[in-house]
Amino acid sequence: QVTLKESGPALVKPTQTLTLTCAFSGFSLSTSGVRVSWIRQPPGKALEWLARIDWDDEIVYSPSLNTRLAISKGTSKNQVVLTVTNVGPFDTATYYCARAYSGTHFDDWGQGTLVTVSS
Amino acid sequence: SFVLTQPPSVSVAPGQTATITCGGNNIESKSVHWYLQKPGQVPVLVVYDDSARPSGIRERFSGSNSGNTATLTISRVEAGDEADYYCQVWDSSSDHYVFGTGTKVTVL
Repeated sequence: QVTLKESGPALVKPTQTLTLTCAFSGFSLSTSGVRVSWIRQPPGKALEWLARIDWDDEIVYSPSLNTRLAISKGTSKNQVVLTVTNVGPFDTATYYCARAYSGTHFDDWGQGTLVTVSS
Repeated sequence: SFVLTQPPSVSVAPGQTATITCGGNNIESKSVHWYLQKPGQVPVLVVYDDSARPSGIRERFSGSNSGNTATLTISRVEAGDEADYYCQVWDSSSDHYVFGTGTKVTVL
């Protein structure tokens, strides 16, 4: 059974760096073709893809945020970490991590974690 | 970057058919995937690769893709189908994922 779970701070102050962790089980990020992405959704708004890391360590970022994002494999082999620098109120959102087994679509999602940026 | 446009809302009576469109430039050249998201819940994949259904998704959900428009069709709509629906593609030219603007389906 595939599971993903996001964790991180619920509240972050403007200009700070947000660090989120996706802990997963039931699959390996070393398996050829597997990709893990971060996706966010501001309250009442649409889904927005942020970043992706692949089984072969390839990394791709959304062009709209790429200067503020960093994605990496965590210290545990079953973790993916996302950092967002210089956050602002516009970064308030539910952040999801999701697995793309075949690479083109998201088969499995975490429960999401709501992050509020406020002073 | 590739843009996917959906109608903000669709209303349908129970038992009728709901049609949700997803517009994009020559979208037929891409594989389109659809998710439903109920309030406060996680998105769920309901159609992938234009028209395939994941295990456990009912046959009432079907998809098609032609020209500049992909379509998700929900047959025999039930009250439980009320949700937001999003289309999504992987744009191979940019290697980016793109989500549509989302459509709220209301069952009258």
